[in-house]
Amino acid sequence: DQQVKQNSPSLSVQEGRISILNCDYTNSMFDYFLWYKKYPAEGPTFLISISSIKDKNEDGRFTVFLNKSAKHLSLHIVPSQPGDSAVYFCAASANSGGSNYKLTFGKGTLLTVNP
Amino acid sequence: DTAVSQTPKYLVTQMGNDKSIKCEQNLGHDTMYWYKQDSKKFLKIMFSYNNKELIINETVPNRFSPKSPDKAHLNLHINSLELGDSAVYFCASSHAAGKNIQYFGAGTRLSVL
Repeated sequence: DQQVKQNSPSLSVQEGRISILNCDYTNSMFDYFLWYKKYPAEGPTFLISISSIKDKNEDGRFTVFLNKSAKHLSLHIVPSQPGDSAVYFCAASANSGGSNYKLTFGKGTLLTVNP
Repeated sequence: DTAVSQTPKYLVTQMGNDKSIKCEQNLGHDTMYWYKQDSKKFLKIMFSYNNKELIINETVPNRFSPKSPDKAHLNLHINSLELGDSAVYFCASSHAAGKNIQYFGAGTRLSVL
């Protein structure tokens, strides 16, 4: 039962253009959403997050949009750079009690930025 | 200076063996996690410890036993290894006040032959 879905396994864009990565979720209890970036043979690294009370969060070239009614979020990278080539994971959490927030991950989208 | 470090990075072993994976974080976090990334590439939580106390245990076979000697360490011991245990195991940590931002180690690739 996939509660977080990334339906595009891969995405290829030209350097300088916008990359848009999409994520859908099914659990209405999710109240926090994160994007992680992963290079081969490394662990996921945190990129950007958004609370369910917001619909947009921006950090430099990265912007995350949240549409709660559609249970959809997206990550925009602009302009895209070759160094952005990596697997991007969408993750969501619902407070599981106390200080421990369980993350549920999507399957990831491989982004390739071509020079 | 690595924030979350796991050892070993690669582990190849025979079915039926017992093995351990170690994890240490120097971020001063009080919560640590183990995740498994299987062949389908899903990252799934296995365990979470807060201040050395088990908080989350996600339907993991009892052949897997996490041990947290202190807040900075969370080791994973696996008994009677099976072929299906082959995966990449990631350790992570977070600060309670950080609200869900978890910092991951580089992973341990376990291959059971």
